[in-house]
Amino acid sequence: SQTIHQWPATLVQPVGSPLSLECTVEGTSNPNLYWYRQAAGRGLQLLFYSVGIGQISSEVPQNLSASRPQDRQFILSSKKLLLSDSGFYLCACSHAGIPGYTYEQYFGPGTRLTVT
Amino acid sequence: GESVGLHLPTLSVQEGDNSIINCAYSNSASDYFIWYKQESGKGPQFIIDIRSNMDKRQGQRVTVLLNKTVKHLSLQIAATQPGDSAVYFCAETPNRDDKIIFGKGTRLHILP
Repeated sequence: SQTIHQWPATLVQPVGSPLSLECTVEGTSNPNLYWYRQAAGRGLQLLFYSVGIGQISSEVPQNLSASRPQDRQFILSSKKLLLSDSGFYLCACSHAGIPGYTYEQYFGPGTRLTVT
Repeated sequence: GESVGLHLPTLSVQEGDNSIINCAYSNSASDYFIWYKQESGKGPQFIIDIRSNMDKRQGQRVTVLLNKTVKHLSLQIAATQPGDSAVYFCAETPNRDDKIIFGKGTRLHILP
């Protein structure tokens, strides 16, 4: 079964600084990959998803971007962080759309980002 | 729809009692539904799923019920334990594509 790694686990960054969060997946190949943000005490907001290397779909306008340089690597970035970027960032993978697989998504442990 | 910007409702249940968490989904074309459990500071974990051609599915201490007529999904937890304290999210697949839509979540609080 797949394992999703995210790092760092926690991060405190000043406003205006750049951001790079990394997600890697083990134990599977050709996954769909997702970035979600969760504000404190709230639900999950889908930010980006990718069905393959170099293929990124953005769900909401924002100052974040995503990249998928390798099959099992998904990176979330920002050139200049805003206070509103604080939150809990979750990476997930699935094999939705592939015969024999369900739509279930598997989540990583998350990165808690605080922008000060 | 997605639960952005909404504070989570809370359900308080006595330890040992059964818990019932409800969810209304939005798209009558959705054919796959999932319940996730999220403990504090962790990512969501799969609990149980159900396809639209079923109306009930049972797991270990959990049961999911699906009522397609009123687009309602529920999660029943038998003999609730302290370790069941978490936020519970339902999710649906409305478009048969790569994405799933999460419900607004319910925080389950266990009373001693």
